Formats: sequence, C-alpha cells, structure tokens
Amino acid sequence: DGGITQSPKYLFRKEGQNVTLSCEQNLNHDAMYWYRQDPGQGLRLIYYSQIVNDFQKGDIAEGYSVSREKKESFPLTVTSAQKNPTAFYLCASSALDRVTEAFFGQGTRLTVV
Amino acid sequence: DAKTTQPTSMDCAEGRAANLPCNHSTISGNEYVYWYRQIHSQGPQYIIHGLKNNETNEMASLIITEDRKSSTLILPHATLRDTAVYYCIVRVGYFTGANSKLTFGKGITLSVRP
Repeated sequence: DGGITQSPKYLFRKEGQNVTLSCEQNLNHDAMYWYRQDPGQGLRLIYYSQIVNDFQKGDIAEGYSVSREKKESFPLTVTSAQKNPTAFYLCASSALDRVTEAFFGQGTRLTVV
Repeated sequence: DAKTTQPTSMDCAEGRAANLPCNHSTISGNEYVYWYRQIHSQGPQYIIHGLKNNETNEMASLIITEDRKSSTLILPHATLRDTAVYYCIVRVGYFTGANSKLTFGKGITLSVRP
C-alpha cells in the first residue's frame, strides 16, 4: 500500500545524545515535511523539502537537522542543541504539481530523559 | 492562509450525524477549505477539501456556504472511532513556495458517545 512510514513509533534517548527519526514515503511525492506537536498544541513546521538535495527551515528549525538524499526519504536528526526535544514528531508528504492534500505518517514519540 | 474559528468541543450520539462548523470569514478566492482529523497519538488524517461546491466522499460531506465564509463537515453516521480532534484549514491548493506549510489550529474535539 502507498503511504508514509515513520519509525520507530516510540523512542527514548538520554539527554545530550543525537537521535535520528526515519521517514519514508512511496507516494512519489516531491515534497516532504517534518512537524513537531506538543501536548494540546497544534503542529509546528520544523523543516521541509521540495526537491532532492534541497530543504528549507520551517518555524522551529533550531536544534534539528535533515537530509534529502533520496526522493523517498527525509530523516530528521534531533541534536543535543535542541533544548526541549521531548515531543511527538510527524512526517508528511505532498505532491507539488496539483491541488492536493498532505499525507501524514503515524508519528514518532520521542522522550529524552 | 486565512484564519479559521472552530468551537472547542462538541459531542454526538453514536449513529447520529455529527455536524462540525467552521468560520473562515477572510477566505480568499483561491483558497480551499480542508478538513483533517487526528485520533489520539496518531498522525493527522485527511478527510475532504472543497473550493466552493459541496463535496462528498466515503468519509464525510463538506457544505460550504455561498459566500464561502463558513463551512460544515458532516459525518453522516458517527461511530466511536470518529472520536478525534477535527481541524478546519483554509489554504491555497498547491504546496509550493511560501504555501508549503499546513497551519493547524487547536481544532474541535468531537466526542462520540455510545
């Protein structure tokens, strides 16, 4: 089935460690996005990419890094510089050539202790 | 993107229709009304979108007023699994350039009771 896969669903890390969240899509979408969601809050955009080897900062990019080496994959690294990394992270993708919707993965809940 | 206003919460009985309102009085002519929902601890799920005509799919119906300043999402026969936060978003249809971001507000929490 076509869709977006995020892994793992739950992730625990010690403070000061970098951690990479995986996002893969087989929808042939050009654009991919990373959002962060905190309890009771809306989604905030971290990074997005509209083409391979290019990406743009969103509203809260500090402390995060991304890469887009393949169209299908857009991993997010939460670095030790991110002050409050514990959150629910959502990956999404969309086409760019038509009026469309965005598709979301099931999310990764990161807990830093 | 135009802002939207939704009630904080509502409930309905299982098997009845759930009518979720959304106000978007500053909507522009090229902006669509999108609805997503988010079940607890899952990613948002696309439901439906429309420009000015009413739309229906297997999940829901979207009724947009003639002046496009408000809309209603209708779940015709709500089930317990429809309990979720529903987001009404107004935006242009293409995800390019400055329009790359989806802006989610607080949404409306729908509780379906047995």
